[in-house]
Amino acid sequence: DIVMTQSPDSLAVSLGERATLNCKSSQSLLFSSNNKNYLAWYQQKPGQPPKVLISWASTRETGVPDRFSGSGSGTDFTLTISSLQAEDVAVYYCQQYFSTPYTFGQGTSLEIK
Amino acid sequence: QVQLQESGPGLVKPSQTLSLTCTVSGGTINSGTYYWTWIRQPAGKGLEWIGRLYTSGSTSYNPSLKSRVTISLDTSKNQFSLKLTSVTAADTAVYYCAREPLYCSGGSCSQGAFDFWGQGTMVTVSS
Repeated sequence: DIVMTQSPDSLAVSLGERATLNCKSSQSLLFSSNNKNYLAWYQQKPGQPPKVLISWASTRETGVPDRFSGSGSGTDFTLTISSLQAEDVAVYYCQQYFSTPYTFGQGTSLEIK
Repeated sequence: QVQLQESGPGLVKPSQTLSLTCTVSGGTINSGTYYWTWIRQPAGKGLEWIGRLYTSGSTSYNPSLKSRVTISLDTSKNQFSLKLTSVTAADTAVYYCAREPLYCSGGSCSQGAFDFWGQGTMVTVSS
C-alpha cells in the first residue's frame, strides 16, 4: 500500500495569513503516460463528509475559492491557503488515487491562532 | 446535482453482518463513467477506503478487509450496497458512500478523485 504522511498534524495560523500543509507519499504518484499526479486534497468540517478541493495535485475544483492552491509532484505535495479565513477551520486530508487500495493521510487540523 | 444517501442499521452486534445501502439521485448509477465507493471513518480518526464497484460488476477491495467485504449494485433501484461480515468493535465508524469519476479518452481510462459523497451514517458494533 502507498503510505501518505501529512505534516504538521495540527497548525494554527492567524486570520489573513498563509497556511501551508504538506503531504508525502511512499512512492511516486506521477503517472508517466499522462504526466498527471494522482493526488487530491479534501477539507472536512465537523459533522460533514470530506469535500474535494484539489485534484491532480494542482487542479482546483469548481467553486473552490482561489485562495486554495495545490503544488508538488512525485512524492511531495503542498496545499496552500493564501489568506486564511474563519471558514477554513477544518481537517485537511491528502489522498492518493494512483493505485488501489487508495489511501489517505492522517489529516492536518487547521485552526485560527 | 448528484446526491448520495446512505441507509442502514445504526447498531450491529459483534460477529454479525453490517449491511448498508447508498441511494444515488440526480444521475444514473449505470452510466458507465463512475466507480461507486465505500469509505469509513472511526470517530476522531482518519479515512479508510473499503472498496469500489464498477457498473460492469467488477470490484476492488481493500486487502485489509477483502475477506469480509462485498459491494454490489442494484441498477433497478439506482443503489449500491456494502456488506461486511463478522464485525467487531473495530468496525465501529461513520460509513460514507462516494462517487469516483472515470475519465476515458482515446481508448484509455483514468480514475479521478471522489467528487460526491453521502452525508455518512454512523454504525456502532456493540452487544
